[in-house]
Amino acid sequence: GENVEQHPSTLSVQEGDSAVIKCTYSDSASNYFPWYKQELGKGPQLIIDIRSNVGEKKDQRIAVTLNKTAKHFSLHITETQPEDSAVYFCAATTHNDYKLSFGAGTTVTVRA
Amino acid sequence: NAGVTQTPKFQVLKTGQSMTLQCAQDMNHEYMSWYRQDPGMGLRLIHYSVGAGITDQGEVPNGYNVSRSTTEDFPLRLLSAAPSQTSVYFCASSYGGTGVSYEQYFGPGTRLTVT
Repeated sequence: GENVEQHPSTLSVQEGDSAVIKCTYSDSASNYFPWYKQELGKGPQLIIDIRSNVGEKKDQRIAVTLNKTAKHFSLHITETQPEDSAVYFCAATTHNDYKLSFGAGTTVTVRA
Repeated sequence: NAGVTQTPKFQVLKTGQSMTLQCAQDMNHEYMSWYRQDPGMGLRLIHYSVGAGITDQGEVPNGYNVSRSTTEDFPLRLLSAAPSQTSVYFCASSYGGTGVSYEQYFGPGTRLTVT
């Protein structure tokens, strides 16, 4: 099955700086890569996603890049704010949208 | 819309007890799933359903049963609770669709402790 690895496990950044989280996947057939944000005591919420026919996608301060050849994708958060502090998960799916394989998560702390 | 709702929010069980975690959605989503979240392991798929009357196993199905009699509800049953089932459980739903990926909406979670 699909194996998704996520790094780093924790990330502390100064407010206003950028944060980058990287994920690698094992199955070259994976074609959908969502990123979820989980705030304390809540369920994960989709923040951005990318499909295999696109190399980069941006939504305000958040961007995701995909390198299909190297089988890795990354989340970039610019101008970080305290409300960006949360756990972020990457995921990948091979066959369809039913079976998402998640990374282990990255705890991001934005220091004021 | 209430979205995806889960009950209870917290539960403590003794080893060997059984219980049902409830999940409901009011978005008319065909696809529903159950995940467990453990520290350092992300979310792992337990069972999923692509529509009423259809269920299938995910990555970690042992010790859990599901059924899908209606589009709205997807309960998760623990047959005989074990300490290894101590975890946070999330239910999710999406429009689904073969070959097309839709956003999965997650519920608030149920924190289960088995002693």
